[in-house]
Amino acid sequence: QVQLQESGPGLVKPSETLSLTCTVSGGSISRSSYYWGWIRQPPGKGLEWIGSIYYSGSTYYNPSLKSRVTISVDTSKNQFSLKVNSVTAADTAVYYCARHYDSHWTDWGQGTLVTVSS
Amino acid sequence: QSALTQPASVSGSPGQSITISCTGTSSDVGSYNLVSWYQQHPGKAPKLMIYEGSKRPSGVSNRFSGSKSGYTASLTISGLQAEDEADYYCCSYAGSSVWVFGGGTKLTVL
Repeated sequence: QVQLQESGPGLVKPSETLSLTCTVSGGSISRSSYYWGWIRQPPGKGLEWIGSIYYSGSTYYNPSLKSRVTISVDTSKNQFSLKVNSVTAADTAVYYCARHYDSHWTDWGQGTLVTVSS
Repeated sequence: QSALTQPASVSGSPGQSITISCTGTSSDVGSYNLVSWYQQHPGKAPKLMIYEGSKRPSGVSNRFSGSKSGYTASLTISGLQAEDEADYYCCSYAGSSVWVFGGGTKLTVL
């Protein structure tokens, strides 16, 4: 059973860059047909897909966030990462990394709360 | 891409059946049979309950079922149990490698 674990700062200042890493264990991030993505959930609100990446480096982003988001993969470390530029309070959320296969999200990390505040 | 529309809350008594709707558009739910449903207990990560509209992953109770008609997908939980109380989210493929979630529905077991 694959496991995912998010890591990164829990507090980011407004206008700065949010950076998170997801470490995958129990399976290779290079396994074909699986995509790796980020989903966030503001406190008390619903889920929002941020973007996804394939091990080859192909990326797909939520159009509403595309201008500020970069997702990358490091197959040698079995990790993928998220960067969100120019953050505001609206970016405060629990950020989940997850694996998806075809149409659905099969495995999730436990989530990490990132607060944007000065 | 707008979020899919779900009722904010539904409720039912133990043993009863409830249905949660998820309404999209011709760009997402209406065009693809790729709706999935997730259960989320407080403070926990979401868990896949239904995929491709009506398929259940291994280990998910057959009390959970999914369907779709037109632009609306539905999740039905039969034989309601106390542990079913949670938030439920739908998610649909929206074309061009874009995914959209619903706003979520809080299920209360009375």
